[in-house]
Formats: sequence, structure tokens, C-alpha cells
Amino acid sequence: SQTIHQWPATLVQPVGSPLSLECTVEGTSNPNLYWYRQAAGRGLQLLFYSVGIGQISSEVPQNLSASRPQDRQFILSSKKLLLSDSGFYLCAWGEGFREMNTEAFFGQGTRLTVV
Amino acid sequence: AQKITQTQPGMFVQEKEAVTLDCTYDTSDPSYGLFWYKQPSSGEMIFLIYQGSYDQQNATEGRYSLNFQKARKSANLVISASQLGDSAMYFCAMRETARGSYIPTFGRGTSLIVHP
Repeated sequence: SQTIHQWPATLVQPVGSPLSLECTVEGTSNPNLYWYRQAAGRGLQLLFYSVGIGQISSEVPQNLSASRPQDRQFILSSKKLLLSDSGFYLCAWGEGFREMNTEAFFGQGTRLTVV
Repeated sequence: AQKITQTQPGMFVQEKEAVTLDCTYDTSDPSYGLFWYKQPSSGEMIFLIYQGSYDQQNATEGRYSLNFQKARKSANLVISASQLGDSAMYFCAMRETARGSYIPTFGRGTSLIVHP
């Protein structure tokens, strides 16, 4: 069965520090991968998605970046965090166009607080 | 423009009663999928139910059913016999074709509180 791992679960970082959040998927190949951010009491905002190794699409301009160095690994990074980067970050995977009627599967999320 | 609209920021329901959570969507794709997720206070996103745009019947999963009205572009979630554990945020989402892949787009969510 497929599983998704996301870490760390909680992170407190000072303004201006770098960020690296990692997400890995097991039990599937060539998944679509997604990074979402959820501000307190808000919906999910799509940040990045990837349909293959090295292929990253950005939905929102910001100081964050994403990379997919391996088929089932998705990394969210920042060189210098801002206070506005605080939030709940969720990684998800889903099947590609061949399986539209499958849901996106989510990791447990990372609560990031920038202080 | 928002593709998924959930107009109810908060809803209250008495235990054992039914509740409907509203969702409207906007797409020009003829083929799309609609989903509902539950997010308890722990933060995890739990998949509840799926409705395909070509499905003739409304989807049901246990106490969850989806009232799909394609012409109105609405996909309301109905929870029957509410339980205290149903208290959570609920998100409506849509997958539509974009650049050859399916990108899930989420609404802002509805907070549901079930009273004993």
C-alpha cells in the first residue's frame, strides 16, 4: 500500500533562516506531488506541483522553492524565511491524468512558526 | 476567480441530526472530479467522498452523501446522523485537467461543530 511521509511535524525558525521540508512517498511510482500551505483558519493554497523528476510548477510567487530530486521525493525550501511564511504545510500525492477519480493523499503536515 | 466556493465559514448541528455543507465550483473542463475532505484539529486531511462529473448517481459513503447538481455546479456534502467526532473543518476540492495532469484545488473550508 502507498504511504506518504512528511517531516518534521513541528518547526520553529527565526526570520531569515533557511527552510527545508521533506516529503517522500512509498508504494507507487511517478506520482504527482503537491505542496500546499494552510494559514490559520484558512483553506489550502497550492504552492508547487510536480508531475515528474525535475519538473516543478509554481502557483504562487514567493520566496519558497521546491525540488524533486527523486521520483518519490519532494522538498520545499527557502533561503530566508519571512514571518508571513508561518503556517501549516501539507505535502500530497496523487495519480496522474490516467486516474482522475482518485483522491489526493496527504502527509501529516508541518506546523511552521517563524519568529 | 475562485474555482471552489464554500460560503459557510461555520456551521452548527445537534448530535444525531443531518447537516448540509455547501460547495459550488467553476470549471470549463467537461471531465472533472469533486472531493470532500475532513480536517480534524490534528491537521490531517481525511478523504471522505468522491463524485465524478460523468457519474449519473450521487455518491454515498456511509453517513456521507454528495448532492451533485451539475447544471448548478454544486456539490454539497450531506452528513446524516451527526456525531461529536464529526466536529472538524470540511474542504471541498476539485480536480480538473491542467497541463495534462490533475491539480486538486480546494475551497476555504467550513468549520462544523456538533453539539451534544
